[in-house]
Amino acid sequence: DGGITQSPKYLFRKEGQNVTLSCEQNLNHDAMYWYRQDPGQGLRLIYYSQIVNDFQKGDIAEGYSVSREKKESFPLTVTSAQKNPTAFYLCASSWTGEYGYTFGSGTRLTVV
Amino acid sequence: DAKTTQPNSMESNEEEPVHLPCNHSTISGTDYIHWYRQLPSQGPEYVIHGLTSNVNNRMASLAIAEDRKSSTLILHRATLRDAAVYYCILRVSNSGNTPLVFGKGTRLSVIA
Repeated sequence: DGGITQSPKYLFRKEGQNVTLSCEQNLNHDAMYWYRQDPGQGLRLIYYSQIVNDFQKGDIAEGYSVSREKKESFPLTVTSAQKNPTAFYLCASSWTGEYGYTFGSGTRLTVV
Repeated sequence: DAKTTQPNSMESNEEEPVHLPCNHSTISGTDYIHWYRQLPSQGPEYVIHGLTSNVNNRMASLAIAEDRKSSTLILHRATLRDAAVYYCILRVSNSGNTPLVFGKGTRLSVIA
C-alpha cells in the first residue's frame, strides 16, 4: 500500500546535538512538507519542497535544515541552533493542484 | 492568505449528525475548501475538499454556501472514533504547491 513513513516514532536527544528525522513516501507525490506541532496548537510550516533539489523556508525555518535529493525522501535535521526543539514533527506529501495532503504518523522529539 | 474561522470546540452525542461550521469570508475564486481531522497523537487525515458544489464521500459531506463565504462539514452519524480536531483550510490551486496553513481547528467531543 502507498503511504508516507516517518521514523522514528519517538526520539530523545541531549541538548546541543543535531538530530535527523526521516520521511519517505511511495505515493509518487511531487511536493513534501514538514510541520511542527506544539501541545494544544495547530501545525506550523517549517520547510517544503515542490521538486527534487529545491526547497523553500516556511514560517519557522530557523534552526532547521532539509534536503530533497530523491523524490521520495525529505529528511529534516533539527540543529543545535533550534532553541526549543521539543515538539511533534509531521511530514506530509501531495500532488500539485487542489489535491489533499497525506500525512505521516509523526515523530515526537524530546530534547533533554 | 485567505483565512478561516472555526469554533474552538463542539460537542455531539453518539449516532447523531454533526455540523461543523467554517467561515471564510475572504475566499477567492480559485481557493479550494479543504477539511482535515487529527486524532490524538496522530498526523492529520484528509477528509474532503470542494470548490463550489456540495461534495460527498465515505467519510463526510461538505456543504458550501452559494457565496462560498462559509462551509459546513457534516458527519452523518457521529461515533466515538470521530472525536478529533477538525481543520478547515483554504488551498489555492493555481499557485503550484502553496502549503496549507493550519489554524487551531475545532475540537469535537463525542458523548456516548
